[in-house]
Amino acid sequence: EVQLVESGGGLVQPGGSLRLSCAASGFTFPNYWMHWVRQAPGKGLEWVANIKHDGSDKYYVDSVKGRFTISTDNAKNSLYLQMNSLRAEDTAVYYCLGARTWGQGTLVTVSS
Amino acid sequence: IVMTQTPLSSPVTLGQPASISCRSSQSLVHTDGNTYLSWLQQRPGQPPRLLIYEISNRLSGVPDRFSGSGAGTDFTLKISRVEAEDVGVYYCMQGTQFITFGQGTRLEIK
Repeated sequence: EVQLVESGGGLVQPGGSLRLSCAASGFTFPNYWMHWVRQAPGKGLEWVANIKHDGSDKYYVDSVKGRFTISTDNAKNSLYLQMNSLRAEDTAVYYCLGARTWGQGTLVTVSS
Repeated sequence: IVMTQTPLSSPVTLGQPASISCRSSQSLVHTDGNTYLSWLQQRPGQPPRLLIYEISNRLSGVPDRFSGSGAGTDFTLKISRVEAEDVGVYYCMQGTQFITFGQGTRLEIK
């Protein structure tokens, strides 16, 4: 069974940092592009970043460029999102997406 | 690529059909020849779930009352007979150039 499990969310003050993780199982992780998508409370879906299976290409939505970094560890079948300089508008549930599968999400709340 | 869904809300009687349209601001045909248009379902309080990929391919376990069609810039999701478990928000998603989503269509029972 293909499964993605996110972790690492929580409450953080504006300007702070968090690192999200996504553990993948049930598929050959290095064969797929992997993505982070977020959903602010009561809002629609917004793509945040993606990374090519070999890590050679990474792309970000403009609003997070220079603040967020996407990475993978193929040996651990894991995807990460390092989030720095967090803002209130980054508050959202963050989903990991890959191999036509969505994780259950992890909530990030940026508030003082 | 901007994705525009219509309608944004769809009240439907149980057992009746429902249809959601999605239009992209440019062709979704990728240079590899595939069209990366998917449909997602998000039930209340749940994460999104992929129903259909590449226009018309249902994922394993998705009921056959769900079907997708279209080409180029115009796409449609149809539910042949709406059931109570179909309530939620439906999104189209393109993966031809990065990823973008439609605004979502809320399906509710009359």
